[in-house]
Amino acid sequence: NAGVMQNPRHLVRRRGQEARLRCSPMKGHSHVYWYRQLPEEGLKFMVYLQKENIIDESGMPKERFSAEFPKEGPSILRIQQVVRGDSAAYFCASSPGTSGTGNEQYFGPGTRLTVT
Amino acid sequence: RKEVEQDPGPFNVPEGATVAFNCTYSNSASQSFFWYRQDCRKEPKLLMSVYSSGNEDGRFTAQLNRASQYISLLIRDSKLSDSATYLCVVNYGDYGGSQGNLIFGKGTKLSVKP
Repeated sequence: NAGVMQNPRHLVRRRGQEARLRCSPMKGHSHVYWYRQLPEEGLKFMVYLQKENIIDESGMPKERFSAEFPKEGPSILRIQQVVRGDSAAYFCASSPGTSGTGNEQYFGPGTRLTVT
Repeated sequence: RKEVEQDPGPFNVPEGATVAFNCTYSNSASQSFFWYRQDCRKEPKLLMSVYSSGNEDGRFTAQLNRASQYISLLIRDSKLSDSATYLCVVNYGDYGGSQGNLIFGKGTKLSVKP
């Protein structure tokens, strides 16, 4: 059973470019979460999605960041006009549900974004 | 006050030692509790969920005290491979519409020496 997959693992962008990060949840999981980890910091929640729906985006910056989880294909976290402060590790997690043991979240290997 | 607080360490212990980590959380509405471990530059890996009755998995024992809003993790007979950062994590469940998102502590670093 493949785990959560993320790609690319490493992404380098120049200031002002766009970054697209992809996440495929574990088989059987319909809940996807994105987290960001700045250097020497803890993980911070960004957004929670189910297929075709954003459930909670309370952790997303108001500008330049967007996320989707289409009916077909992976979840995408998109960062427009990247700035140096966007450099971080972006982790995706998935879970089969949100209650009981179903809310245990399993993380992908992350995408390390470097903005030059 | 931070939502989830942990002693950052580092805890430097010899192989075979018993080590305990503590964590406090500020929101009494928290419903689910977890310990994750994170190796350097890797993703967090779920170590165990923490239940009100306490639970044990091999050398690892987790305890929850809801009244004190306190979670602990005990590692017995520590191994070199236990060296990692241990993350205390809470989830508010459906409280306030937040549903699924996890609130992470900044972690406690453990280094097990030969």
